Amino acid sequence: SQQGEEDPQALSIQEGENATMNCSYKTSINNLQWYRQNSGRGLVHLILIRSNEREKHSGRLRVTLDTSKKSSSLLITASRAADTASYFCSGAGSYQLTFGKGTKLSVIP
Amino acid sequence: KAGVTQTPRYLIKTRGQQVTLSCSPISGHRSVSWYQQTPGQGLQFLFEYFSETQRNKGNFPGRFSGRQFSNSRSEMNVSTLELGDSALYLCASSLGGTNTGELFFGEGSRLTVL
Repeated sequence: SQQGEEDPQALSIQEGENATMNCSYKTSINNLQWYRQNSGRGLVHLILIRSNEREKHSGRLRVTLDTSKKSSSLLITASRAADTASYFCSGAGSYQLTFGKGTKLSVIP
Repeated sequence: KAGVTQTPRYLIKTRGQQVTLSCSPISGHRSVSWYQQTPGQGLQFLFEYFSETQRNKGNFPGRFSGRQFSNSRSEMNVSTLELGDSALYLCASSLGGTNTGELFFGEGSRLTVL
C-alpha cells in the first residue's frame, strides 16, 4: 500500500522564496519521514516526525503532521539553489516503508 | 563512521542474464532494506532484512531475491533480467528497521538491461 504521495509533482520557485510540499498517506503510521534526493543519488534523511507530534522544526525546515487527515507538509523557508532536488515523504507503519514519487523542486537563482 | 556502500555503482546486462548487487550497511545497523527506483514507478520497496531474516517483502516477482549475512551485509539478486528491470537500486540501513527511524541510503547501483 502506498504510504506516501507527494503533491505537487513539480515546483519551481525563485531563490529566497518559501517552498511547500504536501504528502498524504493511507494507513496508520508510527512516524513520517522526509527525504531529499539529488539527481541520481541516494536519499538523504531530512526530518522525522512521530505520530504524536504535530509540528517539528529543523533549521529552515518545518514539518507538520495531521494524523486525522493523514497528511503532512514540508516547508522550506528562504530557499537556495542548493535546495534543488526531489523530496520524498514516507510513512512508517508496518515493517514496510513505502515512498511516493516525490516532488521535484527547482530553485531558480 | 563510514556510510552505506553499494557495489557496483553502474552495470550493464543483457536480457536473460542475472545480476547480484551488494550493500554494506553502517556498522552496527542490523536492518537493510532495498528499493527500486524508476522514472515511471518512483521508489518502490523490494524487501527488508533484519538480523539475517527477511522481515518484509514488496510486490515484486520471485526473480527478485535477497539475503543478509551475519555481518549485516546484504545482497540482492535479479534473475532472468528483463528490460523493465533497468533502474536505480538503492539500499538503506537502519538500527531498528524501516518502521522505527531514520534510514541511511547508499548512492545506489544503476542497472541498465539491454
